[in-house]
Amino acid sequence: AQTVTQSQPEMSVQEAETVTLSCTYDTSESDYYLFWYKQPPSRQMILVIRQEAYKQQNATENRFSVNFQKAAKSFSLKISDSQLGDAAMYFCAYRSALNAGNMLTFGGGTRLMVKP
Amino acid sequence: DTGVSQNPRHKITKRGQNVTFRCDPISEHNRLYWYRQTLGQGPEFLTYFQNEAQLEKSRLLSDRFSAERPKGSFSTLEIQRTEQGDSAMYLCASSLVSGRANEQFFGPGTRLTVL
Repeated sequence: AQTVTQSQPEMSVQEAETVTLSCTYDTSESDYYLFWYKQPPSRQMILVIRQEAYKQQNATENRFSVNFQKAAKSFSLKISDSQLGDAAMYFCAYRSALNAGNMLTFGGGTRLMVKP
Repeated sequence: DTGVSQNPRHKITKRGQNVTFRCDPISEHNRLYWYRQTLGQGPEFLTYFQNEAQLEKSRLLSDRFSAERPKGSFSTLEIQRTEQGDSAMYLCASSLVSGRANEQFFGPGTRLTVL
């Protein structure tokens, strides 16, 4: 079974600064996807960024980028120019490309606080 | 709003009562998932449907839990004889199975409190 670990329960960043959230995972598979989801307080979870394991290039979406280290099974999220609206719970998630169900396995989450 | 909707948003019930939650997916999505999220934790997979067929259930889904998706549209999740350990946020997600993408879109969740 796959596991996802987020070792930082809480992180804090000053507005306009850069912060990196960590995620490690364990799998014996070679074909999979990794995701970062954002869950604002009392609002629904939304996808921030996605990485396909067979792609060596790190994914980027505007201010959000990842550092995908397949051999180390590490998948960190970097948020540049942090904004107050970035404050939320962030979840790292794994999805097998081999399992027909495509269900997600989530980490425990990191609460990001943004200081004005 | 064409996103995933869930009702009710909050439910408070007494131990031993039955509760039912509803999820309305994005209209063209053929996959529907239920996840459970306890306080301070990430969501955990419960079950999923492809159209009206329930294809997989997690070990977390005890026999007190039942889910349906009649006609492949909305889905209901029923918990019978609720226990305090059932208190959690129940999340629904839907996706369109097409190629490799299959992005899941989440609803706002139903927060269940069992007293």
